[in-house]
Amino acid sequence: QQQVKQSPQSLIVQKGGISIINCAYENTAFDYFPWYQQFPGKGPALLIAIRPDVSEKKEGRFTISFNKSAKQFSLHIMDSQPGDSATYFCAASKRDTGRRALTFGSGTRLQVQP
Amino acid sequence: EAGVAQSPRYKIIEKRQSVAFWCNPISGHATLYWYQQILGQGPKLLIQFQNNGVVDDSQLPKDRFSAERLKGVDSTLKIQPAKLEDSAVYLCASSLTDNEQFFGPGTRLTVL
Repeated sequence: QQQVKQSPQSLIVQKGGISIINCAYENTAFDYFPWYQQFPGKGPALLIAIRPDVSEKKEGRFTISFNKSAKQFSLHIMDSQPGDSATYFCAASKRDTGRRALTFGSGTRLQVQP
Repeated sequence: EAGVAQSPRYKIIEKRQSVAFWCNPISGHATLYWYQQILGQGPKLLIQFQNNGVVDDSQLPKDRFSAERLKGVDSTLKIQPAKLEDSAVYLCASSLTDNEQFFGPGTRLTVL
């Protein structure tokens, strides 16, 4: 059962544009929603994360919007740059008897054209 | 601060052979994870350690996969015997806090 659905699978944006990636989750017990950025040949790196008690979190050009009732959250990259070209993964986790492993979405390959 | 180290970076084997991957987490991180990332997919948790004890191995194919974390530091993940569908990148991650996980560069396994 895929617990975190991510779209689109790939995205092409012009430099300076806004990149938007969407995720939906099923398990209402999830209480931590991070976004990871992965460059080719590298492991994923935490970009930004949000908890469900807030509807939005902004860090520089990156913003997470969170809709608890719809069980959806999205990543917005403002003023997208060629250096942002990477694969982005949304994820979710919940505390469960000492465990807090991440359930990842399937990833979005972002290409920012100069 | 040194990151999570993994070796080897690449490995090519034939099906039915065995293979082992090594991970050295960030110093002081008590929690260590092994993920499998199949091409075009997100990482999937295989096993989670807290110090040298297993917290979650529910998604580890135990008939062929095994993992250990001796002395609560380094960890090894072994596959024996390997199948074609085991071709993937194997990622090791560690964490100090309850949330942020730091990932290593991964080991790319190709099973022929």
